[in-house]
Order: sequence, then C-alpha cells, then structure tokens
Amino acid sequence: IAGITQAPTSQILAAGRRMTLRCTQDMRHNAMYWYRQDLGLGLRLIHYSNTAGTTGKGEVPDGYSVSRANTDDFPLTLASAVPSQTSVYFCASSDSTGSGYTFGSGTRLTVV
Amino acid sequence: GQNIDQPTEMTATEGAIVQINCTYQTSGFNGLFWYQQHAGEAPTFLSYNVLDGLEEKGRFSSFLSRSKGYSYLLLKELQMKDSASYLCAVMDSNYQLIWGAGTKLIIKP
Repeated sequence: IAGITQAPTSQILAAGRRMTLRCTQDMRHNAMYWYRQDLGLGLRLIHYSNTAGTTGKGEVPDGYSVSRANTDDFPLTLASAVPSQTSVYFCASSDSTGSGYTFGSGTRLTVV
Repeated sequence: GQNIDQPTEMTATEGAIVQINCTYQTSGFNGLFWYQQHAGEAPTFLSYNVLDGLEEKGRFSSFLSRSKGYSYLLLKELQMKDSASYLCAVMDSNYQLIWGAGTKLIIKP
C-alpha cells in the first residue's frame, strides 16, 4: 500500500441496501476525511476524524456513518442507500495541521 | 458563513497564460491550497500559500493576499494536459478545508 487505498473502485447498489466504502492509509496521518463530489457542487465533507477513536460530522452527514478504530482505517457506511447518494466518494488524510493532504482514487457509487 | 468563489469555467489557448482567481470568506485562515483534478481522477496537490505573495513552482505560480481574501493560480506555457479542473481550498481556524466548486479549464490548440 502506498498512500491511500479506497475500495471498491465502483459499485452499483440497489436502493435500501447497506454498503461500506473502505479507506486505508499507510502514512500514519492523524486526520482522515470522507467527501462526496457531485457535478457543479464541488467537494462536500461528509464526516471526518481528527485522530483514532474520534469522529465528527461534516457538511452533509445525513445517511452516512463512520468509525475510526485505528489510525489506518476509516470506513464509510451507508445504512440504507438512496438514489441521492449516487456520487463519487473520496477519502483523504492529512497530519494534524492539514499538511500532506492526500486523496484516495475515489469510489464511484450508483444507487438504483 | 464560509464561502469560496471561483469561476465555473475558463478557456485558453495552448502556449498562452491563464489566471484563475479565487476569493474567500472563512472563519479563520491557516493557508490556501490549489489542487488539480483531471476528469475521473482524484485531486492532486499543486500549491500552498499561507503568507502574502507569490509562490512559483515551474510553470505554475500561486498568489495570496490575506487582507483582500484573494488568491490566483497562474499557469504559463499552457499544454493540452493542463485541461482539468482547478480547486481552491482554504484551511479554517479548525484546520478543516473549505472547498470551492472548482474551475474547469479548457485548453484549445
């Protein structure tokens, strides 16, 4: 692993299903983030974690949950997917001061 | 509220120079970032400004004026591969990045 790895790369999901997007980093960054990116709206923060064991809500947290059991992993869960959650999801990480802000390659999710 | 403004789209000619502006209003300031994002790919880091002035890095330069809440990204000797979206982001007092919607730059031969 080098940097941040996201899985899956893409997914088509039936509405109402549960889905977990995975994110793993090997840079020992304290902070991790989940964004969604929709055409014309830019990057919007869903949830973040400043350090292992803590999480916080971003701009658009509804319908999503996260956990941060350790430094490396920051999974994003959609408990019951809806079509409005169709988007490209990016995971990112940085150190405590925001330095070294790095993005994963993204997950393209389509909810039908 | 917090706000980052940048033009939605710009067009320029290969070999020319283009300036992409960004204005911001945020709660606190801990630096301004520019990222490049090619279609279908993740954003990649271009530049970071925390002090007023110009930072030059090869064909790309970034300028910051904190008193005016203003930055620009200057791209020289444009190449076709520079066709991408350019994202301006400001780090607020809580070290959270506030993102602009991005400027789509189209390069024509």
